[in-house]
Order: sequence, then structure tokens, then C-alpha cells
Amino acid sequence: DAKTTQPTSMDCAEGRAANLPCNHSTISGNEYVYWYRQIHSQGPQYIIHGLKNNETNEMASLIITEDRKSSTLILPHATLRDTAVYYCIVKTSGSRLTFGEGTQLTVNP
Amino acid sequence: GAVVSQHPSWVICKSGTSVKIECRSLDFQATTMFWYRQFPKQSLMLMATSNEGSKATYEQGVEKDKFLINHASLTLSTLTVTSAHPEDSSFYICSARSEGGGNQPQHFGDGTRLSIL
Repeated sequence: DAKTTQPTSMDCAEGRAANLPCNHSTISGNEYVYWYRQIHSQGPQYIIHGLKNNETNEMASLIITEDRKSSTLILPHATLRDTAVYYCIVKTSGSRLTFGEGTQLTVNP
Repeated sequence: GAVVSQHPSWVICKSGTSVKIECRSLDFQATTMFWYRQFPKQSLMLMATSNEGSKATYEQGVEKDKFLINHASLTLSTLTVTSAHPEDSSFYICSARSEGGGNQPQHFGDGTRLSIL
């Protein structure tokens, strides 16, 4: 599975959009981009995933560049409860999730 | 939908005892379940993958005789930490993937915090 690179930490003001970047320059054509988050002392929570088209659900939007070498997770109106570690994971269909260090997002009041 | 329940959420026991952790998919059937371990300030590390009705596949460095995994049904997998010692103290998290498999996301339980005295 392709390696991903994420910033170690980010800050965002409450009510503003949080844009979390992820680089996956070695992604192959059959690999999906998945986003999970982990709030302190809880299990990871699935957010969204995509292959090449942009995706949106009730939690977030996923923007994947045309060359698929990077993506951005967008939380449109961040709240304090969105403070968590966000993981960007690239993997093929059926393979297992391997977690990196992720991005610690802190939403400030 | 896609709820995974893990029990117990917290357990403290004496060194040398065995501890069983249950992972259930409540509203879907899970062909595959996964067990992870997480130490403080570290990321999740995959321990093993289990498929219903077959033996689990363990990651390198994980002792299969110490961490017994049973996936007897499409909604239940158990992890038994045998003869637990203080170094086994950790946060254990299970996840499950639906029968749709493929690119379906894994859904996680809330974890079990295990403390061995």
C-alpha cells in the first residue's frame, strides 16, 4: 500500500472549515484513500473514502487531485468535538488498514 | 448503521491470568475482523486478521499462542490474552468489515483498556 504524509498537527478556529492535507504520491490506480479519526481514548471512526472522484457525506468532503497524488479532507464547520487525530490511509480493495501517525487537529474556541 | 461493540471497555487483572475481549458487529455481518493494539502516544498497530470459520493471520512479531483469536460467527470475534503480564497492558481495539468486503470501510469498536498488575 502507498505511503502517506500528513502534517503532525493543525489548529482550526471553531466554526471555520478545517482542511486537512494528505500526500500520497506513490498511490496506484487501484488504491483508495480512506480517512479515519480517533478521539482521545476511543476507537477510530470512519469518515469517508474515495478512489478518484470527490466525495461528500454528512461528516466531511474528500477532495482528490486529478493526478491522485494528494487529497484534502474538509470539515466544513469545525466544532470542539472535532478535535482528534485524523488518519489518511491509502490501500487496495480488500487489504487491511495500516495506521500512520496522523494529524492532530485541535479546534479552538 | 455499522456499529461494532467491544466488551469489556476496561479491565484490570493480576499477572498470569487470562483475559477475553469480545467484539461484535451489531447491525451487519462481518466476514473479516481485525485486532489492533495501541500503546500510549502511539498509533494503532495491527495484531491479526480473522476470517469467520478459519484461523487468524497474525502480523509479524505477534505471538499467536499468547493472543488467541476466535471468529466463530459472522458477528463475533474474541481475543484472549493468555497468561497476561504487565507488558501486555495496552488499549486493544477491534474492527469489522462487512460481507461486502472489498472497499467497504472497516468499523471500529471503542476499545478495551487492559491493565495487568
